[in-house]
Amino acid sequence: AQSVAQPEDQVNVAEGNPLTVKCTYSVSGNPYLFWYVQYPNRGLQFLLKYITGDNLVKGSYGFEAEFNKSQTSFHLKKPSALVSDSALYFCAVRDSYNDYKLSFGAGTTVTVRA
Amino acid sequence: GAVVSQHPSWVICKSGTSVKIECRSLDFQATTMFWYRQFPKQSLMLMATSNEGSKATYEQGVEKDKFLINHASLTLSTLTVTSAHPEDSSFYICSASSTRSTDTQYFGPGTRLTVL
Repeated sequence: AQSVAQPEDQVNVAEGNPLTVKCTYSVSGNPYLFWYVQYPNRGLQFLLKYITGDNLVKGSYGFEAEFNKSQTSFHLKKPSALVSDSALYFCAVRDSYNDYKLSFGAGTTVTVRA
Repeated sequence: GAVVSQHPSWVICKSGTSVKIECRSLDFQATTMFWYRQFPKQSLMLMATSNEGSKATYEQGVEKDKFLINHASLTLSTLTVTSAHPEDSSFYICSASSTRSTDTQYFGPGTRLTVL
C-alpha cells in the first residue's frame, strides 16, 4: 500500500522568508515522489520529482525538496517566498511496485503575504 | 514541453444529457492517460486509467457505464459523462505520462462541469 500525508492544511509566510511544505509517505518498495502546484481553477503543474540519486532535488520556480529515507519525508522548500507562490501544493507518491498509480496528499494551501 | 490540454475548460449542461471532455498531449505521445475528479478544496481522486487501444481500468466505485473513456490515439483520450446529474458536477482533470518517461504525469488544466 502507498500513502502520503501532508500534515499542514495551511502555511502562511511573509514574502522573502523561507517556505517549507511538509510531506511524509509510506510505501512497500522504493518511493517515487512528486510535488505539484495548483492555482485556482487550474490543473496541476509539475514542480519536481525524486526517483533516485541525490537526495536534494531542484525543480521549477526556485523550489527544491529533500528526500529523507529514514524519516520517510519529502519536504518542499523555497529559500525566499514570493506572493505569486500562493497556491495549493500537493505531494504525491508512487510505489516502485506499482506501475503507474499516484497517491496524493490532501494538499497544503500556501499564502505568502506581502 | 509536456503540455496537456483539455477541452472544454468549463461546461454547463442539463440533467440527463451527456458531456464529452477531451484530453490531448500536445507535444508528446502518451502511453497512459489518467482521469481524476476533484471536489472543492479536496485532493484528486483517480477515476480511471486508459492505455491507447485498450479498455480503461476503472477505480473501485467508479461506474464504467457512466464515465465512458476512450483512448483512441497516443495523444487523445476522451471522458464522456453519460446521463449527467447534478451530483456529477465537479472539476475533472486529466493527466498523461510520456512514452519516453513514464515516471511523471503531466496534468491538463481541468474541466469544470456543472449539471443543472
